[in-house]
Amino acid sequence: DARVTQTPRHKVTEMGQEVTMRCQPILGHNTVFWYRQTMMQGLELLAYFRNRAPLDDSGMPKDRFSAEMPDATLATLKIQPSEPRDSAVYFCASGFYLNERPDTQYFGPGTRLTVL
Amino acid sequence: AQSVTQLDSQVPVFEEAPVELRCNYSSSVSVYLFWYVQYPNQGLQLLLKYLSGSTLVESINGFEAEFNKSQTSFHLRKPSVHISDTAEYFCAVSVYSGGYQKVTFGTGTKLQVIP
Repeated sequence: DARVTQTPRHKVTEMGQEVTMRCQPILGHNTVFWYRQTMMQGLELLAYFRNRAPLDDSGMPKDRFSAEMPDATLATLKIQPSEPRDSAVYFCASGFYLNERPDTQYFGPGTRLTVL
Repeated sequence: AQSVTQLDSQVPVFEEAPVELRCNYSSSVSVYLFWYVQYPNQGLQLLLKYLSGSTLVESINGFEAEFNKSQTSFHLRKPSVHISDTAEYFCAVSVYSGGYQKVTFGTGTKLQVIP
């Protein structure tokens, strides 16, 4: 049963520290999404990759957030420096998208980030 | 740009009663529609989707949704809910724009099934 994996599952850190979250998409999927979920804002799209290239990162605060796919099996989301307002659950999702037709998004279990 | 509206943030319903969770969208181009469910402390998972063909789509656990193009809606229904259906439900719309599929999620509806 193929699944999206995310590490760490929980992270507590202090303001100003760097945070790196990792995601392993399902093998064969060509599209990766990063979302942030909070009670106040709901589910927000942060970044969107197709074949490892960024398609849309307009939802991501550029000054402190960065997202990369160093290879097809790893996506990373980095926050530097972290702030208390970054506290949220961060989800990674993957799918096999053709330009004209979407696929199901398969979500990972999320990383719960708390910035003190 | 497309948008998705889920008007009800919370829907309480008694066990074995029917339920409808509303989803409306706006888009100037053709859409693909999805319902996802999120159980506590878990990621979202697909419940059902409309890509083409029959406008009535069903899930394996008794939910159904009907794509209504004239009313730009994709409401989710179940004739008899169970306690285990307690979760948050997200409607999503995907459109092809700018060379790729753009996906927008609604704000979610929390379904609370009361024993």
